[in-house]
Amino acid sequence: EVQLVESGGGLIQPGGSLRLSCAASGFTISSNYMSWVRQAPGKGPEWVSVLYGGGRTRHADSVKGRFTISRDNSRNSLHLQMNSLRAEDTAVYYCASLPPVPTGDLSSRWHYFDNWGRGTLVTVSS
Amino acid sequence: SYELTQPPSVSVSPGQTATITCSGDELGNKYTYWYQQKPDQSPVLVIYQDSKRPSGIPERFSGSNSGNTATLTISGTQAMDEADYYCQTWDDSISYVFGSGTKVTV
Repeated sequence: EVQLVESGGGLIQPGGSLRLSCAASGFTISSNYMSWVRQAPGKGPEWVSVLYGGGRTRHADSVKGRFTISRDNSRNSLHLQMNSLRAEDTAVYYCASLPPVPTGDLSSRWHYFDNWGRGTLVTVSS
Repeated sequence: SYELTQPPSVSVSPGQTATITCSGDELGNKYTYWYQQKPDQSPVLVIYQDSKRPSGIPERFSGSNSGNTATLTISGTQAMDEADYYCQTWDDSISYVFGSGTKVTV
């Protein structure tokens, strides 16, 4: 059974830094694309960052230059380093996996989130 | 920036059909995905690649996508289907985009 468990959230002052972690079990994260998706209170989900096979990353414009996604294959975990935090970054942050992509398939059909963690709350406030 | 527009709310009687739309420019040329989110829970994928159901999702959930509109249909809606529903799409120029969400009340 696939499980994703986030940790590292909390209350942080504007301008501060926080590192989120996601422990994965039931599959090997290096075999899947992995992503972070956030949801501000009362709002819909917003994609934040994605880590593709081969290590290529992509970030939403709203966090580009401030957030960095990475993974630790030895611990089967995903991370999100968040710097220069702003009030508008306040949200529940979800770790999500994307489905396995067949080798050589560059189509768009695999770009969805098939498993989600329970999320960790990040509150940016003074 | 690319936007996906959904009606804020849909109300349906038990046993009837709920139809949730998701509109975006040339959305029919992209794949659309649908998620269900109940209060204080994480989103759950209910439709992928426009019309396919993941394992464990009831047959009453179905999807379609054409032109500028994707549609999620819940046939024989049950009380347990009351939730927020979000559409999502992707392409290389816009990356991952979620819709504004629809609250389904049964």
